[in-house]
Amino acid sequence: DAGVIQSPRHEVTEMGQEVTLRCKPISGHDYLFWYRQTMMRGLELLIYFNNNVPIDDSGMPEDRFSAKMPNASFSTLKIQPSEPRDSAVYFCASSLGSTGGGETQYFGPGTRLLVL
Amino acid sequence: GQQLNQSPQSMFIQEGEDVSMNCTSSSIFNTWLWYKQDPGEGPVLLIALYKAGELTSNGRLTAQFGITRKDSFLNISASIPSDVGIYFCAGQLGSSNTGKLIFGQGTTLQVKP
Repeated sequence: DAGVIQSPRHEVTEMGQEVTLRCKPISGHDYLFWYRQTMMRGLELLIYFNNNVPIDDSGMPEDRFSAKMPNASFSTLKIQPSEPRDSAVYFCASSLGSTGGGETQYFGPGTRLLVL
Repeated sequence: GQQLNQSPQSMFIQEGEDVSMNCTSSSIFNTWLWYKQDPGEGPVLLIALYKAGELTSNGRLTAQFGITRKDSFLNISASIPSDVGIYFCAGQLGSSNTGKLIFGQGTTLQVKP
């Protein structure tokens, strides 16, 4: 399996622009997670999906952030409008979700976002 | 929300030394996982623990699931320069079946050749 795929790997944009991050989970995984990582706050869970349905979006910072999962093999995280404080590394992860091993999350390589 | 307290926050050691880090919580966990994040990459699973008291090794790495189910440690023996990175503990709460993991704050390891 190719693992979790994220694109783009790097994104530089100007404040106010829309940013769309993309993720393809591991085939067969029912859970998909979006995380944000910064030096100050560490690894933060933003939102996660089960069978394409958002389960918990309490970590989404504000209305400028939105996430969708239109099918089992694709998810997007959108920031509109972007702000400099959104600069971070955004990770997507997926898992089977079941206990006894299925809860292990596999991470993508991340998207490094810089908002100027 | 639920928290995992991971310590130490950072370590700077000499090549060849052993390393120990741990995670504790006031809550009970039914799974403990240890991840390593190399610079510029995503976290990668090192060891998974599923039973209280379980001791598991993976090469130079050894991890244990605390008997109280509220803590776990990771040891690295005879460190080498490629051990550099950030190590995260993660766990699934004992009361949870949501698929969600709680992550520690990470331990940054630097190894001096």
